[in-house]
Amino acid sequence: AQTVTQSQPEMSVQEAETVTLSCTYDTSESDYYLFWYKQPPSRQMILVIRQEAYKQQNATENRFSVNFQKAAKSFSLKISDSQLGDAAMYFCAYRAPFSSNTGKLIFGQGTTLQVKP
Amino acid sequence: DSGVTQTPKHLITATGQRVTLRCSPRSGDLSVYWYQQSLDQGLQFLIQYYNGEERAKGNILERFSAQQFPDLHSELNLSSLELGDSALYFCASSVALAGGDYTFGSGTRLTVV
Repeated sequence: AQTVTQSQPEMSVQEAETVTLSCTYDTSESDYYLFWYKQPPSRQMILVIRQEAYKQQNATENRFSVNFQKAAKSFSLKISDSQLGDAAMYFCAYRAPFSSNTGKLIFGQGTTLQVKP
Repeated sequence: DSGVTQTPKHLITATGQRVTLRCSPRSGDLSVYWYQQSLDQGLQFLIQYYNGEERAKGNILERFSAQQFPDLHSELNLSSLELGDSALYFCASSVALAGGDYTFGSGTRLTVV
């Protein structure tokens, strides 16, 4: 069964600095999808970034980028120029390929990010 | 507004009771997913429906059941409630069975007292 592990329950970063959140996963599939979701105090789940496993290029969305290491099954999120609004819980998630006939997400335990002014 | 509507937003009920959570998916989406977020279990997939049919099941208790109606809205029924069922229940929708953009609702906060 696929699993997702986030080994950092809490992280903190100074405003304007850079922080990296770690995620590892386990799967026997070669084609899958990985996501980072942000959950602010409002509890809304917000998609931050996605990565298709067949793409070698790391995904980037403005200040958010990932370091996808397929062989190591590692998928870290880098937040540059951290802002107070980035403070939230961040979840790493895995989705199996289309052939699995389900779009269910498997989530890691989450990392709470604190941004210090 | 994400386009996925969950009602009610908050629910407080007593142990042993039964409740129904409702989800209206984003317009055009055929898949509905239910997730449970609790303090000790994190975010866990419960069940997926696609165009009215159950398509995937996660760690959903036998006391819980769900269905998707012809208008594509879905209901999650929780019965014989226990204190441990207190959690945030999310609904999400997507257009496809196994892919496509994924949208979460704002959740229903269930408190069992």
